Amino acid sequence: RKEVEQDPGPFNVPEGATVAFNCTYSNSASQSFFWYRQDCRKEPKLLMSVYSSGNEDGRFTAQLNRASQYISLLIRDSKLSDSATYLCVVNIGDSSYKLIFGSGTRLLVRP
Amino acid sequence: EPEVTQTPSHQVTQMGQEVILRCVPISNHLYFYWYRQILGQKVEFLVSFYNNEISEKSEIFDDQFSVERPDGSNFTLKIRSTKLEDSAMYFCASSENWSDQETQYFGPGTRLLVL
Repeated sequence: RKEVEQDPGPFNVPEGATVAFNCTYSNSASQSFFWYRQDCRKEPKLLMSVYSSGNEDGRFTAQLNRASQYISLLIRDSKLSDSATYLCVVNIGDSSYKLIFGSGTRLLVRP
Repeated sequence: EPEVTQTPSHQVTQMGQEVILRCVPISNHLYFYWYRQILGQKVEFLVSFYNNEISEKSEIFDDQFSVERPDGSNFTLKIRSTKLEDSAMYFCASSENWSDQETQYFGPGTRLLVL
């Protein structure tokens, strides 16, 4: 089983749509969770951390379900500029601070 | 906003040659990382570095790889004898503190092509 698994997409949505990304992780001891965004041929950039209680940042909402080992990201009112690959990222912690990346889900927002 | 910088942006080399990829982490950061991303694949951890020592390395980071902080600002990744499969984007990252919640900031990457 992959350490971090995501639907590869692509998701092709019109502007203004709501889109949801899902992610599962295999290591139940994982401590920290993040969503990164990666534009084509660019570096990953932190979009938001994911907290146990769920958290929101403007149009973006992240949820974590530790029991199901499941992370989600919801984008409301999508913009053309949201087109990118969204990377689910996990940090096991416990003296290891390497980031473990999913393969990413590609989002295309069309006019 | 402070950022991680990397040079060169692109490097083409012949198989068997040595390459050195350079990174300048954010100035007050103490923890440094190298990741790589083969075209079309996921980002993979290579190595983490603190206090002039490797803290952790992955299976990918074999004897052909080494890291160094030669001065107060640069952080380098050396590949001694490149192989075709080393072709990838190499990202340097840095963080201020050492914790699982700490944000790692990524540089723009060096695209390495081994012929």
